[in-house]
Amino acid sequence: DIQMTQSPSTLSASVGDRVTITCRASQSIGSWLAWYQQKPGKAPKLLIYKASSLESGVPSRFSGSGSGTEFTLTISSLQPDDFATYYCQQYNSYFLTFGGGTKVEIK
Amino acid sequence: EVQLVESGGGLVQPGGSLRLSCAASGFTFSDHYMDWVRQAPGEGLEWVGRIRNKADSYTTEYTASVKGRFTISRDDSTNSLYLQMNSLKTEDTAVYYCARVRLGGGYDFDCWGQGTLVTVSS
Repeated sequence: DIQMTQSPSTLSASVGDRVTITCRASQSIGSWLAWYQQKPGKAPKLLIYKASSLESGVPSRFSGSGSGTEFTLTISSLQPDDFATYYCQQYNSYFLTFGGGTKVEIK
Repeated sequence: EVQLVESGGGLVQPGGSLRLSCAASGFTFSDHYMDWVRQAPGEGLEWVGRIRNKADSYTTEYTASVKGRFTISRDDSTNSLYLQMNSLKTEDTAVYYCARVRLGGGYDFDCWGQGTLVTVSS
């Protein structure tokens, strides 16, 4: 299975900050990567697919980049609604795997 | 409105069985691959398995830890997805989500249900 490693596992930031989360794959996955946001007690929500495509309805402050084994999710100006846990997911192979998650907390 | 609603979760003893359902509405269910994803309490997301659409012969795939114990099926006539779980273990305790695979060539999930909690305990 392809292993996905996210960093950091926890991030403390303030409203207005630029935030970057990294996801590394154990082998090349091309651009087959998605990012999700999850709030406590809720289902995940798709933010980015195919590494850099913004899902419809998602604010433009979210962006994704990368290919191969290293990917980033960037929030250009953190808003109060963005405090949540973020997961990457690879779909290069039929057997999908998620990263361990990055919790974005209020500083 | 596109919607997925899971049901069927509950408390079950180790070795027992449970069948989860997922009711889809607001989209052409038969077009989509459908997956199950679970999340143990306080943990991250784990992919469980997938069922493809009729065009791809309803083929299924499972993560190794559930293969041979879990079975995914679907009924396109009633827009329903199912997860039959047998020989349950304590480590199967989790919230189970059904998720729609986005059309267009990838395996990302553009719609999720609210989840149903399965607790395996004696």
